[in-house]
Amino acid sequence: DGGITQSPKYLFRKEGQNVTLSCEQNLNHDAMYWYRQDPGQGLRLIYYSQIVNDFQKGDIAEGYSVSREKKESFPLTVTSAQKNPTAFYLCASSSGAPGTDTQYFGPGTRLTVL
Amino acid sequence: GQQVMQIPQYQHVQEGEDFTTYCNSSTTLSNIQWYKQRPGGHPVFLIQLVKSGEVKKQKRLTFQFGEAKKNSSLHITATQTTDVGTYFCAGNNAGNMLTFGGGTRLMVKP
Repeated sequence: DGGITQSPKYLFRKEGQNVTLSCEQNLNHDAMYWYRQDPGQGLRLIYYSQIVNDFQKGDIAEGYSVSREKKESFPLTVTSAQKNPTAFYLCASSSGAPGTDTQYFGPGTRLTVL
Repeated sequence: GQQVMQIPQYQHVQEGEDFTTYCNSSTTLSNIQWYKQRPGGHPVFLIQLVKSGEVKKQKRLTFQFGEAKKNSSLHITATQTTDVGTYFCAGNNAGNMLTFGGGTRLMVKP
């Protein structure tokens, strides 16, 4: 069953703690993305990766970090430097160049920082 | 940087009424995509428009790309309760990433 998985679905953390969100895809896509969505808002790009071992900052990268050691995996770490981390985080992937191809989204992780 | 605006932000309609959401970009786009996000769900791709003046239909949904490739619209004929959700446009300025609009949340009263 092909697709993108994100875990966990809900995540609670104390303020000041780093937390890593998982994103795995078995679609054999080269490009992967992380977006942040706040209530009633659109999607804002955090980081993207076009190929293994390479990634680029998006519009709101401050306070976040990523890695792309494997084609299938693109984990996102929300660091304590992110001032307002509570949000819905969406991972996506695409086969073509960023911006030109359909993006397939995972189910998302709702992060709440207490 | 590139900005993509969507209006309206919210729309309540009676089931059976039509619905339209509009998308406007601050720059000329190479293509535009539309996504639907059901309440509590994740965005799902609907369609991509590439050509100036392009019109595409999917059953009751009609998508248009403006002649200047700076605006787009999604029109739903005779809405149904299954149409409920937030509709996002996402524009690509060649060489850049997709920029998502803020979305239009559609609510349908049965």
